[in-house]
Amino acid sequence: AQTVTQSQPEMSVQEAETVTLSCTYDTSESDYYLFWYKQPPSRQMILVIRQEAYKQQNATENRFSVNFQKAAKSFSLKISDSQLGDAAMYFCAYRSLYFGNEKLTFGTGTRLTIIP
Amino acid sequence: GAVVSQHPSWVICKSGTSVKIECRSLDFQATTMFWYRQFPKQSLMLMATSNEGSKATYEQGVEKDKFLINHASLTLSTLTVTSAHPEDSSFYICSASQAEATDTQYFGPGTRLTVL
Repeated sequence: AQTVTQSQPEMSVQEAETVTLSCTYDTSESDYYLFWYKQPPSRQMILVIRQEAYKQQNATENRFSVNFQKAAKSFSLKISDSQLGDAAMYFCAYRSLYFGNEKLTFGTGTRLTIIP
Repeated sequence: GAVVSQHPSWVICKSGTSVKIECRSLDFQATTMFWYRQFPKQSLMLMATSNEGSKATYEQGVEKDKFLINHASLTLSTLTVTSAHPEDSSFYICSASQAEATDTQYFGPGTRLTVL
């Protein structure tokens, strides 16, 4: 079974600065997907970024980028130019590539606070 | 695109009654829908996976007879909490993946259930 670990329960960053959230995972599969989801106080889960394990290039979405280290099983999220609206719980998630096993395995989350 | 709705957004019921929560994909066909439960300040726990036209697959430890799931169409899945008790009070979230692209799940806004 796959596991996802987020070792930082809480992080804070000054507005306009850059912050990196850590995520490690354990799997015996060679191909899979990794995700970062954001859950603001409204509790709506919002997809931030997605990475396919078979792609070497790190995914980027505007101010959000990942550092995907497949050999180290590490998948960190970097938020540049932090904004007040980035304050939320951030969950890292793993999904198998194989049909019939589409469920997401979530980490325990990191609460990000933005300091004005 | 890829919008998922849930209804109701919150519900209060008396102990012993049943409550039905609806999850709809508004602008896409969802072959697979997922139901999660989230306790305060915790991560999402997958309860079950439902595929249109077939029986749901429940995670270990989830009572099938208490949490009835029906996925009657490609746009609707329902979760019925039967004979609800105060310990069933929680935040329930559904997600759906598109038939054409099953790798990403899109989440509904959640339903807060309070059982008195």
